[in-house]
Amino acid sequence: DTGVSQDPRHKITKRGQNVTFRCDPISEHNRLYWYRQTLGQGPEFLTYFQNEAQLEKSRLLSDRFSAERPKGSFSTLEIQRTEQGDSAMYLCASSLRLAGTGELFFGEGSRLTVL
Amino acid sequence: AQTVTQSQPEMSVQEAETVTLSCTYDTSESDYYLFWYKQPPSRQMILVIRQEAYKQQNATENRFSVNFQKAAKSFSLKISDSQLGDAAMYFCAYRVPSGTYKYIFGTGTRLKVLA
Repeated sequence: DTGVSQDPRHKITKRGQNVTFRCDPISEHNRLYWYRQTLGQGPEFLTYFQNEAQLEKSRLLSDRFSAERPKGSFSTLEIQRTEQGDSAMYLCASSLRLAGTGELFFGEGSRLTVL
Repeated sequence: AQTVTQSQPEMSVQEAETVTLSCTYDTSESDYYLFWYKQPPSRQMILVIRQEAYKQQNATENRFSVNFQKAAKSFSLKISDSQLGDAAMYFCAYRVPSGTYKYIFGTGTRLKVLA
């Protein structure tokens, strides 16, 4: 399977706990995006990496959120001291650095439930 | 700021019939890309069709076509000969034409296909 993979697919945690999600993009893709999707809404941009550099962070990404992409390969999204409002689907997507097409390829998402 | 609006939360279509999903957007840019993505239940988002703003010709992909009205900032999706497998959430998206090339999504339209 050469698509975008995300792990875990589902995570249930108690309020105040830390959680970490992992994303493995398509191997030759150097652009990686994290989005958050809540019920009945479209995906909302969280952050963007070009190779290992985090070039943009949304205001949605509070200080409790941190993302990394060491060596420009896989990426992790950590949420510290989770709150019930963090419950959502976290989507990872990747693309090639082609100005013409730029199709985003999505993973199946990591669903977070904070009790 | 760029925004994408989908005013139809839910649509229904009879199998083999045609349905049109609406999307409007707002941008001050002149050159950009627009996309329709499909998100089946519990499955990853996949690209349905893309449109380059500098092209006057409407994009088509088999049973899927768009009606792109640049001046009106309208980008509707027409699905012909609807099939049961077309049932999904459909998201309209605008791609920022430089820098991060991030996508801005609408809130989605849930399409039900009736047998």
